[in-house]
Amino acid sequence: ETGVTQTPRHLVMGMTNKKSLKCEQHLGHNAMYWYKQSAKKPLELMFVYSLEERVENNSVPSRFSPECPNSSHLFLHLHTLQPEDSALYLCASSQDPRNTIYFGEGSWLTVV
Amino acid sequence: DAKTTQPTSMDCAEGRAANLPCNHSTISGNEYVYWYRQIHSQGPQYIIHGLKNNETNEMASLIITEDRKSSTLILPHATLRDTAVYYCIVRVARNNAGNMLTFGGGTRLMVKP
Repeated sequence: ETGVTQTPRHLVMGMTNKKSLKCEQHLGHNAMYWYKQSAKKPLELMFVYSLEERVENNSVPSRFSPECPNSSHLFLHLHTLQPEDSALYLCASSQDPRNTIYFGEGSWLTVV
Repeated sequence: DAKTTQPTSMDCAEGRAANLPCNHSTISGNEYVYWYRQIHSQGPQYIIHGLKNNETNEMASLIITEDRKSSTLILPHATLRDTAVYYCIVRVARNNAGNMLTFGGGTRLMVKP
């Protein structure tokens, strides 16, 4: 138990579906992150939020849309994804962007 | 952030110390050394980090050379549950921008009975 909870743990969606991944942190942190881990590739940073403002968007396609309604919650809205978007999506948080990052267990996404 | 070099894989006997090396010869003065591990199908787990001095916590010890160009993560008594991919990362603790944890390929540690 890392204090960062992701739901759902597994998601299968069609290319025309709209779905969302949810992340909640119980650590009182002010920064939250989305990372993507594809098969046999290193983790890739997607988005960074600090105090609910997006501070980093790492050239991620617009079919991925993040939302941070408050410092404890982070969403990743998914729309018209491609099969190559199938991956492990990891949420993480830290006290602020300077401090240690703690990861959730991840959401396994399969696009069919 | 500086690049790191780690062996692709290592074996360790259960109960023995596992010593995982990392080279970061281009590290700059304000970059920290972080270690994470990832057990199959799970999110990365923070282990330890340091700047100049050696560090120890309940999970591991981190030994950083005096010139800071390399470090070693030590798991003092490895168990089968320590089998994982171990990532060595160097990063600046930025205050105003994103926290750039850049993961490489890591070392796949196999602890054997």
